[in-house]
Amino acid sequence: AQSVAQPEDQVNVAEGNPLTVKCTYSVSGNPYLFWYVQYPNRGLQFLLKYITGDNLVKGSYGFEAEFNKSQTSFHLKKPSALVSDSALYFCAVRDNAGNNRKLIWGLGTSLAVNP
Amino acid sequence: EADIYQTPRYLVIGTGKKITLECSQTMGHDKMYWYQQDPGMELHLIHYSYGVNSTEKGDLSSESTVSRIRTEHFPLTLESARPSHTSQYLCASSGPGGWVTEAFFGQGTRLTVV
Repeated sequence: AQSVAQPEDQVNVAEGNPLTVKCTYSVSGNPYLFWYVQYPNRGLQFLLKYITGDNLVKGSYGFEAEFNKSQTSFHLKKPSALVSDSALYFCAVRDNAGNNRKLIWGLGTSLAVNP
Repeated sequence: EADIYQTPRYLVIGTGKKITLECSQTMGHDKMYWYQQDPGMELHLIHYSYGVNSTEKGDLSSESTVSRIRTEHFPLTLESARPSHTSQYLCASSGPGGWVTEAFFGQGTRLTVV
């Protein structure tokens, strides 16, 4: 079965420190992987995606994510966190096998960056 | 900012009322979606459309209905609102490029049924 796991409900980091938000997935075919961010009282905004090619993907606002096929992971990272990065982060995967091409969403991780 | 708009942003309505949540996009996207988001963050797909006159139910059973008469418009209707319908509703769209394209989201409608 297709699934996405974000093992941490909440991540706390100090401003200026590196941050990691974890995501693991399970699909039957090759994955298309996405990260979105949701600021308070807003819709989701696309951050970055992995489709194929280089395992390290760079996205908006200085975020990047590394696709690791052997560990079935797609962790979101940023070298130096900002207070303004505090938000909800969602990982999503789409399976390129079969006829079901819907996005499967993680439950979200709340990131708090402390000044 | 994505060109996808939802109205109203906030709605408080009494039980039994009929409501329509509006969603419009100006990007010419063929695929559109409605998600329901729990207070605890989880997203549930309740409806989607792959084009005009095409609508499908999503993974979460919903008493709402949708229509897609025009490419740019994907309204969601509740014939008789109940307190259990209280939630945030997010509309999204995605364009050409097959299944590798990302979705663009509206700002959401927060519905409270009293």
